[in-house]
Amino acid sequence: QSVLTQPPSVSGAPGQRVTISCTGSRSNIGAGYDVHWYQQFPGTAPKVLIYDNTDRPSGVPDRFSGSKSGTSASLAITGLQAEDEADYYCQSYDNSLSGLVFGGGTKLTVL
Amino acid sequence: QVQLVQSGAEVKKPGASVKISCKASGYTFISYFMYWVRQAPGQGLEWMGIINPSDGDTTYSQRFQGRLTMTRVTSTGTLYMDLSSLRSDDTAVYYCARGRGSGSAQSFDYWGQGTLVTVSS
Repeated sequence: QSVLTQPPSVSGAPGQRVTISCTGSRSNIGAGYDVHWYQQFPGTAPKVLIYDNTDRPSGVPDRFSGSKSGTSASLAITGLQAEDEADYYCQSYDNSLSGLVFGGGTKLTVL
Repeated sequence: QVQLVQSGAEVKKPGASVKISCKASGYTFISYFMYWVRQAPGQGLEWMGIINPSDGDTTYSQRFQGRLTMTRVTSTGTLYMDLSSLRSDDTAVYYCARGRGSGSAQSFDYWGQGTLVTVSS
């Protein structure tokens, strides 16, 4: 069981909007720690998509956005494209574990 | 440009140890915390530990306490991850990653290519 909870899978048609949730607790997201999101394609290293809850590294399309509220965070992808089909992970810090924690990952399927 | 280049795949027997290297280049080595993250086949990401390359200070996940040792050689800009008493469930791809940001909840802005460690008798 991951400390941060994500849906195992989400799907959407090209052009649609999808969101991926990341639910934590008072010892991680709810304690105010930043949430980051990663995209991973099979056989490759993860790549940061969103850092510090809402910021995008240069080169990441503005179709990707992040938000955070209370003990949860979300990644939104608008204008879904076939190339967005990948695994997505959220990550934060947990003060009861004194370490970084990840969500279990969400597989995005573009229909 | 920033690069993290890891050593090659390893096959180990249960009970053995494995040592993986991660050579950093393209930035000031001692200026960024470094992390090790692993991913078992078909599974999610798992944080293992953090090292401050400036002074060698480390913090390990409780799951690996007593089995994990992270070190660095500043003269070559190389990190090392040593995992002992290997079990079959240590079979995974191991990544080094560079931390960015302030505070405890750093993100990872650069990753190594990953090193597959297979533990099998």
